[in-house]
Amino acid sequence: DAEITQSPRHKITETGRQVTLACHQTWNHNNMFWYRQDLGHGLRLIHYSYGVQDTNKGEVSDGYSVSRSNTEDLPLTLESAASSQTSVYFCASSATGGISSNEQFFGPGTRLTVL
Amino acid sequence: SQQGEEDPQALSIQEGENATMNCSYKTSINNLQWYRQNSGRGLVHLILIRSNEREKHSGRLRVTLDTSKKSSSLLITASRAADTASYFCATGGLEYGNKLVFGAGTILRVKS
Repeated sequence: DAEITQSPRHKITETGRQVTLACHQTWNHNNMFWYRQDLGHGLRLIHYSYGVQDTNKGEVSDGYSVSRSNTEDLPLTLESAASSQTSVYFCASSATGGISSNEQFFGPGTRLTVL
Repeated sequence: SQQGEEDPQALSIQEGENATMNCSYKTSINNLQWYRQNSGRGLVHLILIRSNEREKHSGRLRVTLDTSKKSSSLLITASRAADTASYFCATGGLEYGNKLVFGAGTILRVKS
């Protein structure tokens, strides 16, 4: 069965370190998204990609970067981790079927703690 | 900024009762979706309603959409303890491309 996986599921790091969160989907979806979820804010979009070599900034992109070298993967990098980036991170993907049918499939999430 | 705002923020009901959650949004949309999130898990898509639809059903779920009021409601009938979760509305529109904008969610607790 197709799925979307994230690794690691839990990560503790120190302020200033570079951290990369992995996202891998086997849906063969063109669209991939990274969100962070914090209490009281719901899901906020960090970066997204509509295909290989395409990346775009979302609502809260400062301090984060992504790259898309193939269809399956969209790793999220925190260039220099800050305590404000402690959060739960979700990766999602969707098919390109027109804007009226953009159901997103979510990974299980990565809980990141920055000390 | 959030497009959808859910109401109430939290809801506690007894098993067997109906649960109604509301979502209001600000701009024009092409579709509105509802997702469920169980504790410690990712979101799961429940139902999508297009802007030219007024009501949609899926099992015990009923979604309504009023584009004139920019609002939607999710009704879960005959709730079960397993329905305990957070519920989010998400809107998609022309200006968002293939993106969705999520609200802050409603926490539903169903007591057995």
